[in-house]
Amino acid sequence: DAGITQSPRHKVTETGTPVTLRCHQTENHRYMYWYRQDPGHGLRLIHYSYGVKDTDKGEVSDGYSVSRSKTEDFLLTLESATSSQTSVYFCAILAGEGNEQFFGPGTRLTVL
Amino acid sequence: QQQVKQSPQSLIVQKGGISIINCAYENTAFDYFPWYQQFPGKGPALLIAIRPDVSEKKEGRFTISFNKSAKQFSLHIMDSQPGDSATYFCAASHNYGQNFVFGPGTRLSVLP
Repeated sequence: DAGITQSPRHKVTETGTPVTLRCHQTENHRYMYWYRQDPGHGLRLIHYSYGVKDTDKGEVSDGYSVSRSKTEDFLLTLESATSSQTSVYFCAILAGEGNEQFFGPGTRLTVL
Repeated sequence: QQQVKQSPQSLIVQKGGISIINCAYENTAFDYFPWYQQFPGKGPALLIAIRPDVSEKKEGRFTISFNKSAKQFSLHIMDSQPGDSATYFCAASHNYGQNFVFGPGTRLSVLP
């Protein structure tokens, strides 16, 4: 699992509430990513980080923000959760000499 | 142009048979083509990857075939086993750490 943990692993919340998901890595990788996975869409990039306090938007960034104050932690925040954000969220890191991504175990988020 | 198309959506193969999954891309800047395997409730795991300077790469029972002129690449699973039953995603990227695009996935079922 490339030393990646995600918390929480499951969360149920209500529309309009803020939600923060955490990704933690133990191996000092520079690049970290947040994806969402929905049936028929594969994995879609939300945001990624290329260093502490360095982040950029991905394909589906609307409604999401991120922060990276330490190398090991990458936080994904839904400021006001909506039902369309019900999904499985995966964190990933970039490791190795190639463009090799390694994924965490995922967080299943349900917004009622 | 950033899209990666993948087919079939689902595939059923008998044990011992060959499983073939195809992907196509448009962006000629892509220079890294990985395949991921995902079991239910788990994060995607890197299976095998290829760069466009070679036409084929083999690792055990898994082979990537790459056709640069056709902008297509495929995953072949030889001697398919029930344990190979999973969802497979192709992906493409260019520029180190950036521009990852995933196909929608293929659900493979290998019958005993």
